[in-house]
Amino acid sequence: GAGVSQSPSNKVTEKGKDVELRCDPISGHTALYWYRQSLGQGLEFLIYFQGNSAPDKSGLPSDRFSAERTGGSVSTLTIQRTQQEDSAVYLCASSLLERGPNEKLFFGSGTQLSVL
Amino acid sequence: AQKVTQAQTEISVVEKEDVTLDCVYETRDTTYYLFWYKQPPSGELVFLIRRNSFDEQNEISGRYSWNFQKSTSSFNFTITASQVVDSAVYFCALSERDSSYKLIFGSGTRLLVRP
Repeated sequence: GAGVSQSPSNKVTEKGKDVELRCDPISGHTALYWYRQSLGQGLEFLIYFQGNSAPDKSGLPSDRFSAERTGGSVSTLTIQRTQQEDSAVYLCASSLLERGPNEKLFFGSGTQLSVL
Repeated sequence: AQKVTQAQTEISVVEKEDVTLDCVYETRDTTYYLFWYKQPPSGELVFLIRRNSFDEQNEISGRYSWNFQKSTSSFNFTITASQVVDSAVYFCALSERDSSYKLIFGSGTRLLVRP
């Protein structure tokens, strides 16, 4: 596809269940980012992947959150034992890194996660 | 510590009015980047501009213009002759040299352009 694709677009889950959110970046983009958008906290950085380098996970809010990127392309964000405060829109972005990490980001439409 | 403040939570204007969205930032770094992103109702953030800390030239792109002033740590965004399609949430963001891949976002300004 032409843009960053995220699935599912909406996810409703019960407290305590695990969820997986998927991101397909733009083909050829070496950098991938996850952000979270919530009413109380605004837009927050979660994690950054760049090529084969170790990801920067410094933004993950707890050890219930993890993410991986397979084959330098698709990424999965996993939230274990979901809590109500995890309810938010999870946004994925990718970039080319031609001129450095602060290149413009291309965002997906996000996954709206609701934890009941 | 780094911070981005967008004091205007919501702005409502009538079509064809000019509107300025304010952005004030805080950073101790001398090398940093400033951004504006637009988030329409579809949810995707759309890149509008990136400006580095060494380039204080103002920029104009069509109806959009940006005023970067280091003296006041501001990076304001003006839409001239606003249109209904400009209705969206606009985010200002900052990244610093040492963690340049992390965007620190402001809380956003919701712009409503009424016909």
